[in-house]
Amino acid sequence: AQTVTQSQPEMSVQEAETVTLSCTYDTSESNYYLFWYKQPPSRQMILVIRQEAYKQQNATENRFSVNFQKAAKSFSLKISDSQLGDTAMYFCAFSSNTGNQFYFGTGTSLTVIP
Amino acid sequence: DTAVSQTPKYLVTQMGNDKSIKCEQNLGHDTMYWYKQDSKKFLKIMFSYNNKELIINETVPNRFSPKSPDKAHLNLHINSLELGDSAVYFCASSQASRTDTQYFGPGTRLTVL
Repeated sequence: AQTVTQSQPEMSVQEAETVTLSCTYDTSESNYYLFWYKQPPSRQMILVIRQEAYKQQNATENRFSVNFQKAAKSFSLKISDSQLGDTAMYFCAFSSNTGNQFYFGTGTSLTVIP
Repeated sequence: DTAVSQTPKYLVTQMGNDKSIKCEQNLGHDTMYWYKQDSKKFLKIMFSYNNKELIINETVPNRFSPKSPDKAHLNLHINSLELGDSAVYFCASSQASRTDTQYFGPGTRLTVL
């Protein structure tokens, strides 16, 4: 079975600084997709970034980028120039075309400090 | 326009009751989902459904059943509610499969007394 592990339950970062959230996963599949979702206090889940495993290039989305290490099964999220609006729970997630599930990690609560 | 909407946003009910949560998406997506988020924020998929198949997470009690009158709607029916059903329930949709980006509704906070 696939599992997704987020080892940092809580993190904080000063406004304008950079922070990295870690995520590791376990799978025997070769083709799959990884996601980072953000859940602010409003509760709305929003996609931050999506990575296809067969693509070597790390996905980026404005201030958000990932460090995807397929061999190590690691998918960390880097947030540059942190803003107060980045305060949220961040969930790493895994899915594949062959599986019947969509797995979320346990989440990392990020607080951006003014 | 809201892409994925859920009603109600809050639901408080007694143990043993039957309740429904409605979900609608206006994105033209083929696949819809229901998730449960517990008090520790842990998210677990309950169902995924498109016009071809319903996939049920085997850990979901059969008191929970999805009902889809059409492609844009996936409602969640819960029979004989229990205290442990208290959680936030999210509906989501994606273009085709689980590997596509999912768009989430605002969630329904269910409290069972």
